[in-house]
Amino acid sequence: GAVVSQHPSRVICKSGTSVKIECRSLDFQATTMFWYRQFPKQSLMLMATSNEGSKATYEQGVEKDKFLINHASLTLSTLTVTSAHPEDSSFYICSAREGLAGSKNIQYFGAGTRLSVL
Amino acid sequence: AQKITQTQPGMFVQEKEAVTLDCTYDTSDQSYGLFWYKQPSSGEMIFLIYQGSYDEQNATEGRYSLNFQKARKSANLVISASQLGDSAMYFCAMSQVNQGGKLIFGQGTELSVKP
Repeated sequence: GAVVSQHPSRVICKSGTSVKIECRSLDFQATTMFWYRQFPKQSLMLMATSNEGSKATYEQGVEKDKFLINHASLTLSTLTVTSAHPEDSSFYICSAREGLAGSKNIQYFGAGTRLSVL
Repeated sequence: AQKITQTQPGMFVQEKEAVTLDCTYDTSDQSYGLFWYKQPSSGEMIFLIYQGSYDEQNATEGRYSLNFQKARKSANLVISASQLGDSAMYFCAMSQVNQGGKLIFGQGTELSVKP
């Protein structure tokens, strides 16, 4: 399957700082990338959908000024958690899809980023 | 509204035996896709298998097969000849074209393979 690289895998930061997470599709061009959040022992919750060259679409309840998403190229999307607080501590994972929302466009996932805010 | 339900929080299976993980879905759309992902303790999400709503045959990928019963809106994952490395969380997910292909995930099933 296709390879999606996510970096960093783990980050520990102080409250009030900003953290940037990168998601790269290594062997395909990702028209769309998605960002998810996962709490321990729970399922994945979609935060936002990111299309190359346009503004991200955020899910209801997700603060767009808190979670800044940039999809500047067909292989890179970034999520910046601004002014992070302890409640932002979580597992963040991205996925990338090669084509449009067709019948069989599989989302391939990165390895995730575990964020701990002190 | 679209929804995915996995009713088995945890499952145990003996090594080398087969196991079925249940998944039911709810949608009013005719065009959708069903996926299964595996999440080991490391956290990565590994794509296992896909079934399209218009596919007449059940999908198979190696030891994985998807038992698709459209009328019952179920898409159970069957793992044959379980291995110790199959121990992980398994998520069923659905995408719909008119929702931009977003994935909706079930709650997950934690599978433990016993030696």
